[in-house]
Amino acid sequence: GENVEQHPSTLSVQEGDSAVIKCTYSDSASNYFPWYKQELGKRPQLIIDIRSNVGEKKDQRIAVTLNKTAKHFSLHITETQPEDSAVYFCAASIRSFQKLVFGTGTRLLVSP
Amino acid sequence: GAGVSQSPSNKVTEKGKDVELRCDPISGHTALYWYRQSLGQGLEFLIYFQGNSAPDKSGLPSDRFSAERTGGSVSTLTIQRTQQEDSAVYLCASSLNNRGNEQFFGPGTRLTVL
Repeated sequence: GENVEQHPSTLSVQEGDSAVIKCTYSDSASNYFPWYKQELGKRPQLIIDIRSNVGEKKDQRIAVTLNKTAKHFSLHITETQPEDSAVYFCAASIRSFQKLVFGTGTRLLVSP
Repeated sequence: GAGVSQSPSNKVTEKGKDVELRCDPISGHTALYWYRQSLGQGLEFLIYFQGNSAPDKSGLPSDRFSAERTGGSVSTLTIQRTQQEDSAVYLCASSLNNRGNEQFFGPGTRLTVL
């Protein structure tokens, strides 16, 4: 079955720096790749997603890139702010339906 | 509009007891998912319902776990003869359909098995 690996498990940056989180997936048929942000004690919330027919997508300070050949995708956060501190999860969809397989999460800490 | 709701928010039970967890999806969403999140871990897929199709149960960890979705809306996840390793946050999510629309998560039920 699908397997998603996520790195790093923790990431500490200074406010204003950029942060990059990387994920790899195993099933070449995966076609949908969302990123979720989970603040402490709260539910996961979608922050950005990308489909396999595009290589990059941006939304203000957040961008996601996808390399289908290498089967990896990355989340880029620019000009980080303390409120970006949270756990970020990548996910990939298995063929034929949208069961998501999640990575193990990256705890991002942005220091003022 | 109202988001996904789950009840109870917290459940403490003794080993060996059965528990039922409830999920109310967003009205009109045909797809419903259950995930489990152990402390400090990622989200583990459990089961998926799409409309009237047979559910995908491939993520259920044992036959002690089952789920139903009545009338295409409310879902109940049942864990029989609970074990300590069942302790986790159980998250429900719903989406408009199964074609890649965003999954909206509920607040979760924190289950503690003593």
